Amino acid sequence: GAGVSQSPSNKVTEKGKDVELRCDPISGHTALYWYRQRLGQGLEFLIYFQGNSAPDKSGLPSDRFSAERTGESVSTLTIQRTQQEDSAVYLCASSLGDRGHEQYFGPGTRLTVT
Amino acid sequence: GDSVTQMEGPVTLSEEAFLTINCTYTATGYPSLFWYVQYPGEGLQLLLKATKADDKGSNKGFEATYRKETTSFHLEKGSVQVSDSAVYFCALDSGYSTLTFGKGTMLLVSP
Repeated sequence: GAGVSQSPSNKVTEKGKDVELRCDPISGHTALYWYRQRLGQGLEFLIYFQGNSAPDKSGLPSDRFSAERTGESVSTLTIQRTQQEDSAVYLCASSLGDRGHEQYFGPGTRLTVT
Repeated sequence: GDSVTQMEGPVTLSEEAFLTINCTYTATGYPSLFWYVQYPGEGLQLLLKATKADDKGSNKGFEATYRKETTSFHLEKGSVQVSDSAVYFCALDSGYSTLTFGKGTMLLVSP
């Protein structure tokens, strides 16, 4: 079946603009994760959705970052008033559940803030 | 807090050479350990995992053994191929639902 998909694959935006990044998880996966990967760095956890529970937002770096998920489907990560330090690859992953289940990753969205 | 430390890359090898990528971790309790691989232009894929001490994960000729006494999970392969060129990430899951990743190690294999 289809894997995790993300759009756009690349996004170039001007400093101060808002951007929306989209993630389509694997059908049936209740858990969805957003990570950020800066150049030369590991993956930083941003936010986690599990079913209808309140999301774990502990990794969001500032209040300019927010994310939503509609049920157990699509998720959107929004970055308001983008800054140059927001430039990174944003990765989405989904899994059947939480602990112990393999996370399946999308190809990522490369965000460049000029 | 939890952390994962990997050797810095790039690691440059000739085809058929032996590969070791070191990974050590700090975590509370008894985490599960993973190696993920990211081929050029693709998303991360799970390569192998181990869920308890002394377990050995293996896949595609790669192996890693969960060593609790040294808090390590080093990745090894006896004979690398050009197609193994990728970025390799060590990660742990200590039960807080998210994975903690290392910074990644790029492997470049030449013919």
